Amino acid sequence: GESVGLHLPTLSVQEGDNSIINCAYSNSASDYFIWYKQESGKGPQFIIDIRSNMDKRQGQRVTVLLNKTVKHLSLQIAATQPGDSAVYFCAESPGNTGKLIFGQGTTLQVKP
Amino acid sequence: DGGITQSPKYLFRKEGQNVTLSCEQNLNHDAMYWYRQDPGQGLRLIYYSQIVNDFQKGDIAEGYSVSREKKESFPLTVTSAQKNPTAFYLCASSMQGNTEAFFGQGTRLTVV
Repeated sequence: GESVGLHLPTLSVQEGDNSIINCAYSNSASDYFIWYKQESGKGPQFIIDIRSNMDKRQGQRVTVLLNKTVKHLSLQIAATQPGDSAVYFCAESPGNTGKLIFGQGTTLQVKP
Repeated sequence: DGGITQSPKYLFRKEGQNVTLSCEQNLNHDAMYWYRQDPGQGLRLIYYSQIVNDFQKGDIAEGYSVSREKKESFPLTVTSAQKNPTAFYLCASSMQGNTEAFFGQGTRLTVV
């Protein structure tokens, strides 16, 4: 079946370092990928998205990389701050319905 | 302020009772979605609606029902047929398929 997975359940980084969160997806038909941040007890917040015709997209302090050859998605956070501590989910959207298939999530812990 | 609102934030239900979770958006979005999140897990799609008076089952629709009589509203009913209803329920909306989805703050349902 379709699935989206993340390589590590927890990532611990030092404040100021860069963070890289990885995700593997399985549906080659997906043409839209998104990263969400979820803080405890809250709904997910959109971080950045990328379409399958791109391999890189940059936002403010964040970069998403898409490697369709190996079905791999990554989120890079520059100069990680304590406020970045949260659970990060990647999601893919096959077709054009807007339905999202979520991975399990990676917990990012930022050490002061 | 524009946004998507879920109510209530916490809900307790006795076994065997139906309960309805509210989701309202004033973003003028066509598409709306309901997801379920269990502890330490990603989100799973229950139902979605791309247009008023139309909706489709997601991956885990059994024991749930929805209606979409108005563009702004997409209530979810958790019926007594849902065997394990205790979870965190998240509603989302997007302009169309494969565009940024905005999430509400969630409703935590506990069966007592």
